[in-house]
Amino acid sequence: EPEVTQTPSHQVTQMGQEVILRCVPISNHLYFYWYRQILGQKVEFLVSFYNNEISEKSEIFDDQFSVERPDGSNFTLKIRSTKLEDSAMYFCASSPDRANYGYTFGSGTRLTVV
Amino acid sequence: AQTVTQSQPEMSVQEAETVTLSCTYDTSESDYYLFWYKQPPSRQMILVIRQEAYKQQNATENRFSVNFQKAAKSFSLKISDSQLGDAAMYFCAYRSAPYSGAGSYQLTFGKGTKLSVIP
Repeated sequence: EPEVTQTPSHQVTQMGQEVILRCVPISNHLYFYWYRQILGQKVEFLVSFYNNEISEKSEIFDDQFSVERPDGSNFTLKIRSTKLEDSAMYFCASSPDRANYGYTFGSGTRLTVV
Repeated sequence: AQTVTQSQPEMSVQEAETVTLSCTYDTSESDYYLFWYKQPPSRQMILVIRQEAYKQQNATENRFSVNFQKAAKSFSLKISDSQLGDAAMYFCAYRSAPYSGAGSYQLTFGKGTKLSVIP
């Protein structure tokens, strides 16, 4: 069964450093998403991406965040200057089209900011 | 904005027994989708079951079924013949239907219910 692949599974970074989280969505999917889950809390939407541009973003997704699909297969989330409160599990997801009601999630990247 | 409420932070069930997890939601939309996701200790989000609001028939997937009460805005998950592998966090989630005019297709999650299965 096709999978959404996320790397790395765990990343530790110093506060103030830039970090890039990587995702390879399912190959024929067109819509891509990032969600995050702070430990013990609910999963929160960050951003959706279609046709090489952001289609929707939440209040959490401020100027410190950016997304990119650099080469047609990878989908990345960049955090420019990490803060302690960015420590969370970050999930990538993809879906084949907007009408499809099922996402496929990746297994997540645990980001720890120290 | 839509909200999803899971009022049971933790539940437990004996192996082979049945358990029901509760979820309520608030929306002014008439067409939408509802989901239950499972998150085992590996932290991956796995889709368990989904329900389209326009369908009156409750969705079923093997041992998992839902009780969808649209008027009451309730969407509970029933797990029959519980197995040890069912132990996980379970999240209820809401999504606007495509072309509903809402313009938002993000998933809105509840806070989750931690299910323990007792051997």
